[in-house]
Amino acid sequence: DSGVTQTPKHLITATGQRVTLRCSPRSGDLSVYWYQQSLDQGLQFLIQYYNGEERAKGNILERFSAQQFPDLHSELNLSSLELGDSALYFCASSVARGLGGENEQFFGPGTRLTVL
Amino acid sequence: DAKTTQPTSMDCAEGRAANLPCNHSTISGNEYVYWYRQIHSQGPQYIIHGLKNNETNEMASLIITEDRKSSTLILPHATLRDTAVYYCIVRVNFYAGGTSYGKLTFGQGTILTVHP
Repeated sequence: DSGVTQTPKHLITATGQRVTLRCSPRSGDLSVYWYQQSLDQGLQFLIQYYNGEERAKGNILERFSAQQFPDLHSELNLSSLELGDSALYFCASSVARGLGGENEQFFGPGTRLTVL
Repeated sequence: DAKTTQPTSMDCAEGRAANLPCNHSTISGNEYVYWYRQIHSQGPQYIIHGLKNNETNEMASLIITEDRKSSTLILPHATLRDTAVYYCIVRVNFYAGGTSYGKLTFGQGTILTVHP
């Protein structure tokens, strides 16, 4: 158990719909990352938040958005869903350790999204 | 971030050492070598990381060549539970002005199968 929780575990929805994935980082971790893992693209970085502010963006579609709240939990919002958005979505958290940066990211169990 | 090259798959007998190679010939001086693994569809798990010195922890050892262009992850006594996809990642790891730059760029990894 990494200490990172994600809900829901599974989500089945239809094309065109909107869903929200939730992530609670480990206690004390300030950074939250979102990754998408699909069969054809592998594990891809989507976006990072640090203490409530967006810090880095990866291959995140404009239909997707995220935020990190004052209690440090994060939500990933996916809208106008397409079949190709079916994937595992992982959240990871870490804490900056001063000079030298973070040591590792702790990944949650993921949310499996199926778009029908 | 520098690119890495790993064998697609490897086999290992249970109880023997598993040596997983990684080439990162374009690595820069400030890039660290990280290893993560992913068991089935679970969230990736941090194993170890290093800059230029060899590193060892309770899970594995990391051997980095003197020119830093390649590295080897060693699992000293592989068990069936070590069957997983192993990812070698190189990335800049620094902390500046309250920001931690931490995205991980995953390649295809090495599928390690440990046999009884």
